[in-house]
Amino acid sequence: DGGITQSPKYLFRKEGQNVTLSCEQNLNHDAMYWYRQDPGQGLRLIYYSQIVNDFQKGDIAEGYSVSREKKESFPLTVTSAQKNPTAFYLCASSIGRGGIREQFFGPGTRLTVL
Amino acid sequence: GIQVEQSPPDLILQEGANSTLRCNFSDSVNNLQWFHQNPWGQLINLFYIPSGTKQNGRLSATTVATERYSLLYISSSQTTDSGVYFCAVERWDFGNEKLTFGTGTRLTIIP
Repeated sequence: DGGITQSPKYLFRKEGQNVTLSCEQNLNHDAMYWYRQDPGQGLRLIYYSQIVNDFQKGDIAEGYSVSREKKESFPLTVTSAQKNPTAFYLCASSIGRGGIREQFFGPGTRLTVL
Repeated sequence: GIQVEQSPPDLILQEGANSTLRCNFSDSVNNLQWFHQNPWGQLINLFYIPSGTKQNGRLSATTVATERYSLLYISSSQTTDSGVYFCAVERWDFGNEKLTFGTGTRLTIIP
């Protein structure tokens, strides 16, 4: 089955801790994205990557970091510098430049800071 | 950046009714997508429709790119149609390739 997987589904963190959210895709997509959703709101872009070993900041990158060492993986680290990390995090992928850029989403990770 | 406005913000309908959701955007776009977010948070792709009209079962969508709006039609609503519907647009300016989301329309279908 082709798709996007995210883990864990739920994550609890103490203040001051860094946590890493996993995103894996087997769609052979070049582009991957991380979004944040707060209650009652739309999605906002954190980081995106159009190709391996390259990524760009989105609208709300402060307090987050990413890496793109493999085409199929795009982990997101929520650092202690992120002031309000409690949110729903969604990963997406698309074929990328040169193709139809329809984005497909994973099931999401709900992060709660205690 | 591009602004995306969706209307209405909330819609409550009886099962079997039809509905029209609207998405207005402030600039020309290369990509427009409609999504349905289910109660578990999963975003389900409905349409990739930067222009023209598409239909998929009881759902159809029309984008009039020159007038900067898109419409999503849901006919014969079912309770499983409940959830939040998002419109998202993308403009392919190099270094600024991202989907910008509206704040959504929350649809509630009453049995």
